[in-house]
Amino acid sequence: AQTVTQSQPEMSVQEAETVTLSCTYDTSESDYYLFWYKQPPSRQMILVIRQEAYKQQNATENRFSVNFQKAAKSFSLKISDSQLGDAAMYFCAYRIPNTGNQFYFGTGTSLTVIP
Amino acid sequence: GAGVSQTPSNKVTEKGKYVELRCDPISGHTALYWYRQSLGQGPEFLIYFQGTGAADDSGLPNDRFFAVRPEGSVSTLKIQRTERGDSAVYLCASSLDRLVGEQYFGPGTRLTVT
Repeated sequence: AQTVTQSQPEMSVQEAETVTLSCTYDTSESDYYLFWYKQPPSRQMILVIRQEAYKQQNATENRFSVNFQKAAKSFSLKISDSQLGDAAMYFCAYRIPNTGNQFYFGTGTSLTVIP
Repeated sequence: GAGVSQTPSNKVTEKGKYVELRCDPISGHTALYWYRQSLGQGPEFLIYFQGTGAADDSGLPNDRFFAVRPEGSVSTLKIQRTERGDSAVYLCASSLDRLVGEQYFGPGTRLTVT
């Protein structure tokens, strides 16, 4: 079974501080892509960052970076210099390109940013 | 350019009724996906189309759910004899091809079955 586990239903961070959201996944495939999506109350899924499993180097995108540990099947998201606009639900997900390429999502982490 | 659009934005229906949810993908995108997001959960895969054909419908929960994409662009998700448990946000996503390009999500349709 393809599963994604986000063990932190809720997290909070002080504005300008750093927060890390955890994610573990389980797949027997060797080729896959990992993602973090942000979903504000508008329901729009916004891509935050992606990581190809074959790349050892951790992806970064401005204030967002990941810690990808392939052997441990761990894919955490670090948000630096948190801003009020970062408050949202964050979903970890992966896709397997050799199959239908559909997403498998975790249950999400609700991030609150405290002014 | 226009993104993925979904109509209606919200739909309230009575238990037992039939509903149709529409998805307009980005022009030229051949792959189209439907997901269902129940309250407090992440989106779950329902079905995907490559062109006009449903290439994988393994996520449809039962035979009350059906989806079509007759001309390879717009898709309609159809739910018969709705149940309160069908209440959720239904998300649509499209990509250039099954293997190529990112999936772009629409804003979803919130379905409430009373």
